[in-house]
Amino acid sequence: GAGVSQSPRYKVAKRGQDVALRCDPISGHVSLFWYQQALGQGPEFLTYFQNEAQLDKSGLPSDRFFAERPEGSVSTLKIQRTQQEDSAVYLCASSLSPALSQQFFGPGTRLTVL
Amino acid sequence: AQRVTQPEKLLSVFKGAPVELKCNYSYSGSPELFWYVQYSRQRLQLLLRHISRESIKGFTADLNKGETSFHLKKPFAQEEDSAMYYCALRAKGGSEKLVFGKGTKLTVNP
Repeated sequence: GAGVSQSPRYKVAKRGQDVALRCDPISGHVSLFWYQQALGQGPEFLTYFQNEAQLDKSGLPSDRFFAERPEGSVSTLKIQRTQQEDSAVYLCASSLSPALSQQFFGPGTRLTVL
Repeated sequence: AQRVTQPEKLLSVFKGAPVELKCNYSYSGSPELFWYVQYSRQRLQLLLRHISRESIKGFTADLNKGETSFHLKKPFAQEEDSAMYYCALRAKGGSEKLVFGKGTKLTVNP
């Protein structure tokens, strides 16, 4: 079946531009997560949704980062006024239910800020 | 605070040799521990989780609460095991987020 999909797969932005990254979770999955993975590092948590409710946004590095999941399915991660330090792979994951459930990861979006 | 440490950035072994990828964690509560693997040009995927107590692709991992470790072991490495391995922790009863280590790149040489 279809897994988690993300688009675009690659994004190059000039410093100061706004970007929007999309995540399509596995159909029926309640939980959705965003992680940021810098080069040579493990994924770091950004934010978590349960259906349309954003239950944890403690990992968002600044108020330039904003995520939404208005209908409890597709999610968008928006980064305003991108900076070079935002360059990373942004991973989306979804899971069927909150507790004791495996997270399935998407292929990631590689963002390069010039 | 939750922290996962993978002390080896790179690990190289020969085919047929035993392999152990180390993982230590720091968390005062009751953790769930996972190993994720990323093969070349593929997405991150779950390899195993401590609550399942199962062996996947010949790999096993035992949670040692006394030593706060969750090392991944395989008695006879295969070339297809070459990949990035990430240890991850989730706090039971807390946020559903995973806290990852920095990863270990395993290379199995022929």
